[in-house]
Amino acid sequence: SQTIHQWPATLVQPVGSPLSLECTVEGTSNPNLYWYRQAAGRGLQLLFYSVGIGQISSEVPQNLSASRPQDRQFILSSKKLLLSDSGFYLCAWGRDFITGELFFGEGSRLTVL
Amino acid sequence: AQSVTQLGSHVSVSEGALVLLRCNYSSSVPPYLFWYVQYPNQGLQLLLKYTSAATLVKGINGFEAEFKKSETSFHLTKPSAHMSDAAEYFCAVTTGAGGTSYGKLTFGQGTILTVHP
Repeated sequence: SQTIHQWPATLVQPVGSPLSLECTVEGTSNPNLYWYRQAAGRGLQLLFYSVGIGQISSEVPQNLSASRPQDRQFILSSKKLLLSDSGFYLCAWGRDFITGELFFGEGSRLTVL
Repeated sequence: AQSVTQLGSHVSVSEGALVLLRCNYSSSVPPYLFWYVQYPNQGLQLLLKYTSAATLVKGINGFEAEFKKSETSFHLTKPSAHMSDAAEYFCAVTTGAGGTSYGKLTFGQGTILTVHP
């Protein structure tokens, strides 16, 4: 069966510090990968998606970047965090574009102070 | 473009009562629709999905939803609420294959369901 892992689960960082959140998927190959951010009362916002190694599409201009160095690894990064980067970050994978069904990780809660 | 509106950010019901969470969508092409549930500090779990087959869709934990094209709605229901149903529920839409959707889901703002004893 397929599983998805995110780490760290919780992170408290000062403004201006770097960020790296990691996501890995097991039990499937060539998944479509997604990073969503959930801010309080604002639903889920798609940040990045990837259809293959090294292929990243950004949905919104922001202080964050994403990379996919391996088929089943997706990394969310920032060089200098802002207060507004605080939120709950969710990684997800999808089998295909036909049904759009996504499978989510447990999430990483980032607090920027 | 596609969008989702969930009516009511908070819904409160008594245990054993009917649960009704409302979702209306906007899409220029036939949509695929989803309901996800999120428990505190966890990821999202798929409850059910509509992908152009039967309009009445049954999901896990006794939930079901009906796709009504004329009303552009996909409301989630459960005949009898249980304490364990307390969570946040998200409706989502995608246009599926074709175009540039790439399986990207557009989510509603979420509805927090509270169940009272």
